[in-house]
Amino acid sequence: ETGVTQTPRHLVMGMTNKKSLKCEQHLGHNAMYWYKQSAKKPLELMFVYNFKEQTENNSVPSRFSPECPNSSHLFLHLHTLQPEDSALYLCASSQSREPYNEQFFGPGTRLTVL
Amino acid sequence: AQKVTQAQTEISVVEKEDVTLDCVYETRDTTYYLFWYKQPPSGELVFLIRRNSFDEQNEISGRYSWNFQKSTSSFNFTITASQVVDSAVYFCALSEANTGGFKTIFGAGTRLFVKA
Repeated sequence: ETGVTQTPRHLVMGMTNKKSLKCEQHLGHNAMYWYKQSAKKPLELMFVYNFKEQTENNSVPSRFSPECPNSSHLFLHLHTLQPEDSALYLCASSQSREPYNEQFFGPGTRLTVL
Repeated sequence: AQKVTQAQTEISVVEKEDVTLDCVYETRDTTYYLFWYKQPPSGELVFLIRRNSFDEQNEISGRYSWNFQKSTSSFNFTITASQVVDSAVYFCALSEANTGGFKTIFGAGTRLFVKA
């Protein structure tokens, strides 16, 4: 595998379910990100990890819980979601958390909450 | 505060036409970085270019060119002789360097349709 991979690519869940999204980067990067992309809304940064430490949480509801066990893996644990949480969830990585670094994105997980 | 405006929601052109995607930004910082990303139907955003605030040189890469003008706070992207494979959503983004806990702000994106 190369670049940034995300699994699953599609997920349908009920509001009472618990599920997890997985992201893995094969680029040797030290920063990883979760974004939410909804229809008619700009890309929203959710969480940032730099060297496995969470550095940003942009007022994300607690029903989203990130986990970064190492610099290559990032998870997003989901529980008791709402229908408005349906969106494309994108993972990205960059060399480090510096403003000049471009980000490399995965293909996303299309989440539907029923 | 940071802001990135991509006023064009959708653009439709016929193959071989030239097309310019507009990006206007707002920032109070003197050091910042501007990016363009392409999001094809497959979903992943692909990095195209980065510019820092001290480098106003325009850049050309094949059929792609970028015009950075600090005087108008714009960083426009032109595709020359467009092709069907250029159909995608294009995002302009801004990162600031001077603020602790900085963010990268993305514009709303411009969806480009290139018809054969």
